[in-house]
Amino acid sequence: DGGITQSPKYLFRKEGQNVTLSCEQNLNHDAMYWYRQDPGQGLRLIYYSQIVNDFQKGDIAEGYSVSREKKESFPLTVTSAQKNPTAFYLCATTQGMNTEAFFGQGTRLTVV
Amino acid sequence: AQRVTQPEKLLSVFKGAPVELKCNYSYSGSPELFWYVQYSRQRLQLLLRHISRESIKGFTADLNKGETSFHLKKPFAQEEDSAMYYCALSGRNQGGKLIFGQGTELSVKP
Repeated sequence: DGGITQSPKYLFRKEGQNVTLSCEQNLNHDAMYWYRQDPGQGLRLIYYSQIVNDFQKGDIAEGYSVSREKKESFPLTVTSAQKNPTAFYLCATTQGMNTEAFFGQGTRLTVV
Repeated sequence: AQRVTQPEKLLSVFKGAPVELKCNYSYSGSPELFWYVQYSRQRLQLLLRHISRESIKGFTADLNKGETSFHLKKPFAQEEDSAMYYCALSGRNQGGKLIFGQGTELSVKP
C-alpha cells in the first residue's frame, strides 16, 4: 500500500530525549522529504534529499537531523533542541524533480 | 523567496454549488504547480498538476502566470469532495524542493 512506510504511527517522547522517526520506501524513488504538519500551518519542509548521501535543509530544519545512507531509507531525528516537537510528521518521495509526490501515513509525535 | 499562499483556511459550500479554492504563488522562473488532497483517514495524494491539464473528479486548475495563481475549481461540489486541499510548487530553481501552502479545508454540506 503506497510503497512508503512510516513507523511508528504514534510516538511519545519525554522532554530532553532524542527520537528517530523511520521512513522506508520501495518505490525506487531518488528524492525523499520530511514535512511537519500543524493545524493552520500546512506542510512545512524540514529536510529533503535528492540522492543518497546528500540532503538539504528545508524551511524549519533547526532541532532536526537526517541521514540518507541508503536509497530506501530517510530517518528523521527530532533532537532535544527542537523546542516544540509535538506535531504530525509526513515523509514523501518523488522520482525526480517536479514529479508527483507520494506520502506515507505519518507519525504523530507527542512530548510528555 | 518561493512561497505558496492559500488565503482561506476553511471553505464551506452546499452540495451542487460551485467551488473555487484559491492558490497564489511567488517564484522566479517557471514553476510546476500541483494540487494535493487529503481525505479523512487517508494519505495525502495528488489531485492534479498544471502540466497535465486534466480534469480529475470534476476539478480543474488553470495556471495564470500574470496573476501568479493556480486556483482549483469545480462547477458542482459533491459531499465526497469534503477534504483538506493543499496547493504545492516545485521548480528547477530550487533544486527539486517541494513547497506547500497552508491548506484549505473544504466542507460540502448536504
